[in-house]
Amino acid sequence: QKEVEQNSGPLSVPEGAIASLNCTYSDRGSQSFFWYRQYSGKSPELIMSIYSNGDKEDGRFTAQLNKASQYVSLLIRDSQPSDSATYLCAVKGGNTGFQKLVFGTGTRLLVSP
Amino acid sequence: DAGVIQSPRHEVTEMGQEVTLRCKPISGHNSLFWYRQTMMRGLELLIYFNNNVPIDDSGMPEDRFSAKMPNASFSTLKIQPSEPRDSAVYFCASRERENTYEQYFGPGTRLTVT
Repeated sequence: QKEVEQNSGPLSVPEGAIASLNCTYSDRGSQSFFWYRQYSGKSPELIMSIYSNGDKEDGRFTAQLNKASQYVSLLIRDSQPSDSATYLCAVKGGNTGFQKLVFGTGTRLLVSP
Repeated sequence: DAGVIQSPRHEVTEMGQEVTLRCKPISGHNSLFWYRQTMMRGLELLIYFNNNVPIDDSGMPEDRFSAKMPNASFSTLKIQPSEPRDSAVYFCASRERENTYEQYFGPGTRLTVT
């Protein structure tokens, strides 16, 4: 079992819709969770972080965390074509030590005009 | 303020050759990470330095890979000898300090080994 799992997609949504991206992790001791966005041919950039159960909102983005289910998600409201990218889930595990992140392979999002 | 700088941006080499990738972290950051990204395996951590000291190199695939950080503003990742399966994008990232988690990625080096 991979430490961090994501559906590779592509996830296709029309402009203006809500895009829902999901991620599961295996280390129950994981403490911190991050969403990175990576445009094609570019480097990853951090867009959201979440540390406790529940929802965290930042503009059109909402991160949701459920530690009991070992599940973290990212909702993008009012999706725009400029949101088309690969979204990487990253987890700071409880047992990884030295604060390194483990990344999922990413979900590709396509927002059509 | 300059971000993480990597060179070269693209490298094409023949199997068996030595490859050296370079990284300059953001000034003042004391943690540096080398990652490799492929379609099949995603983004994998190769090695992590804190205050110029290698802390975790468990992701280095084999002895052909080595990394150094001689000072706070420079790091190298060397592959000798290179193999076609080393073809990937190699990212360097830096972090301000150990108790923060945001990593700032450089633009990456796309390595092709023929």
